[in-house]
Amino acid sequence: EIVMTQSPATLSVSPGERATLSCRASQSVSSNLAWYQQKPGQAPRLVIYDAYTGVTGIPARFRGSGSGTEFTLTISSLQPEDFAVYYCQQYSHWPTFGQGTKVEIK
Amino acid sequence: VQLVESGGGVVRPGGSLRLSCEASGFTFDDYGMGWVRQVPGKGLEWVSGINWNGGSTGYADSVKGRFTISRDNAKNSLYLQMNSLRAEDTALYHCARGSTVTTFFDKWGQGTLVTVSS
Repeated sequence: EIVMTQSPATLSVSPGERATLSCRASQSVSSNLAWYQQKPGQAPRLVIYDAYTGVTGIPARFRGSGSGTEFTLTISSLQPEDFAVYYCQQYSHWPTFGQGTKVEIK
Repeated sequence: VQLVESGGGVVRPGGSLRLSCEASGFTFDDYGMGWVRQVPGKGLEWVSGINWNGGSTGYADSVKGRFTISRDNAKNSLYLQMNSLRAEDTALYHCARGSTVTTFFDKWGQGTLVTVSS
């Protein structure tokens, strides 16, 4: 099983600032990496797939980067609606998720 | 696109449940599908996946041999047969749309809650 490790567990950011979330895989997953946003009481929402490909309807301030074992989700100029939990997921092998990073208002 | 799960409930350890997911708003047999579960307040765990025609399936080690995924394209429906249920299977089960067995998920249902308790 490929283990996905996200850091930090919690990120405190002020509105308008940049948030940088990290995700590390225990072995290479190439670019088979997705990011999801989840708000309380809601299902997860896909924001990035194939490591850096944006999803239709997701603002351009969400950017994914990385390949192999190291990945980053950057949210430039955080908006109030961006405060949520973010999960990474690899699908190079049987899918596995990271434990999540909570982005909270500072 | 809508994915609506049903079939959750309270079941005793060792018991069985069959979850269903009714899909609408897209051509169901163009997509692979999967089940992802989430203990309330905790993270996401992939449970199982199936390709467009049911010819290829996959399972997490935690459920292999106990759960069976299937689909009926004529009914636009996905299923998860869960046997020999354990307390650790307690979670919200989401149906999700993908492309293959191992995939990312671009649409999710709200989930159906399964509680395994004596």
